Amino acid sequence: NAGVTQTPKFQVLKTGQSMTLQCAQDMNHNSMYWYRQDPGMGLRLIYYSASEGTTDKGEVPNGYNVSRLNKREFSLRLESAAPSQTSVYFCASSATASAYGYTFGSGTRLTVV
Amino acid sequence: GENVEQHPSTLSVQEGDSAVIKCTYSDSASNYFPWYKQELGKRPQLIIDIRSNVGEKKDQRIAVTLNKTAKHFSLHITETQPEDSAVYFCAATPYSGGGADGLTFGKGTHLIIQP
Repeated sequence: NAGVTQTPKFQVLKTGQSMTLQCAQDMNHNSMYWYRQDPGMGLRLIYYSASEGTTDKGEVPNGYNVSRLNKREFSLRLESAAPSQTSVYFCASSATASAYGYTFGSGTRLTVV
Repeated sequence: GENVEQHPSTLSVQEGDSAVIKCTYSDSASNYFPWYKQELGKRPQLIIDIRSNVGEKKDQRIAVTLNKTAKHFSLHITETQPEDSAVYFCAATPYSGGGADGLTFGKGTHLIIQP
């Protein structure tokens, strides 16, 4: 039972390049989330998916897109990376809505130069 | 949307003493309040949570209290140990029962346990 798996763990991009961060969970959770973590800013919600087939914007969605491929997988895409997107990205999942604690992935450290 | 304020940003205590971290929230509809611990370079992990129908919850050395009238909740760690050193995040959300609104996190408290 792996929980929430994120790939890659580290990535360096040049400004303007695109990439997709992958996230998969094996806990049969309905809801999945993408957060970014910056020093002194806590964790800020980028996008979330309440259930398979639905996605919604969070607090900081600009510059990102998401796809809920199936119940297990929720990907985050940067179409044209900018230095301001340098951050640590965490995927998380929860059983249903927000009534239960999240399980986080191990994170992706992204640097845009 | 919800806004969560967390204080202090850094807290240094002597080993064996108690530590208290406080959070306030803005949305009176919020009814679920978890606390996460994040060690350096690791993922956040849930350590305790409380729902709005409960005023206090305890798990060994960790306790959380909730005051819905004042819209604040606190984390209490007693008999602190070196392994308690980490960044702690509070969070809040209104549980709609249907869609997932996403947790709103505080900015974190860096807890330092001095030997």
